[in-house]
Amino acid sequence: VQLLESGGGLVQPGGSLRLSCAASGFTFDNFAVNWVRQAPGKGLEWVSSISGSGGDTFYADSVKGRFSISRDNSKNTLYLQMNSLRAEDTALYYCAKDSYFYSSGQLDYWGQGTLVTVSA
Amino acid sequence: EIVLTQSPATLSVSPGERATLSCRASQSVSSSYLAWYQQKPGQAPRLLIYGASTRATGIPDRFSGSGSGTEFTLTISSLQSEDFAVYYCQQCNSWPPYTFGQGTKLEIK
Repeated sequence: VQLLESGGGLVQPGGSLRLSCAASGFTFDNFAVNWVRQAPGKGLEWVSSISGSGGDTFYADSVKGRFSISRDNSKNTLYLQMNSLRAEDTALYYCAKDSYFYSSGQLDYWGQGTLVTVSA
Repeated sequence: EIVLTQSPATLSVSPGERATLSCRASQSVSSSYLAWYQQKPGQAPRLLIYGASTRATGIPDRFSGSGSGTEFTLTISSLQSEDFAVYYCQQCNSWPPYTFGQGTKLEIK
């Protein structure tokens, strides 16, 4: 199993960014996938989850209305569209595979993360 | 939202000794929905334990989890050098959101 995140970078407050996570080594559309972030020197914060079909999506209150999770099962790729970015969104963003088709929170494989920095 | 409080924040233990890490939930969590993760510096987290006591694939049997309700424990029976890391508990019982504890740093004494 491999999960490779990309798309991070430096963005100004109020700006937008789209993260991607390319998956391989498993049947992508059989499993839910999540985004989890970690601010510098801090703990883990779950951000969003999407079911294997893409039909069910969930968000943390801190990003609801600003972030949008999606997936393209034909490309084995997960996305996170991030709008109206704030300084507090600065973090390393991990893509994490769920153990089940529907989101369960049991995150059995993780990527290495992509860094998002929101600063003027 | 269920808040998880881990203790201690930092634990200093000598190699070969036993380490006991605690995770307390602000409300009851079904044992089926409590997990532990290990994170080493510069690395992604790794799933250690799920269902409060089931080891994930490839996890050595010196790692064990226990507990129920609001009190959960991760025990490492004989610490190896590679076990020194930060450990997080996580609940998946009442969501969204899935919540993590703030972490316990296990350091070499």
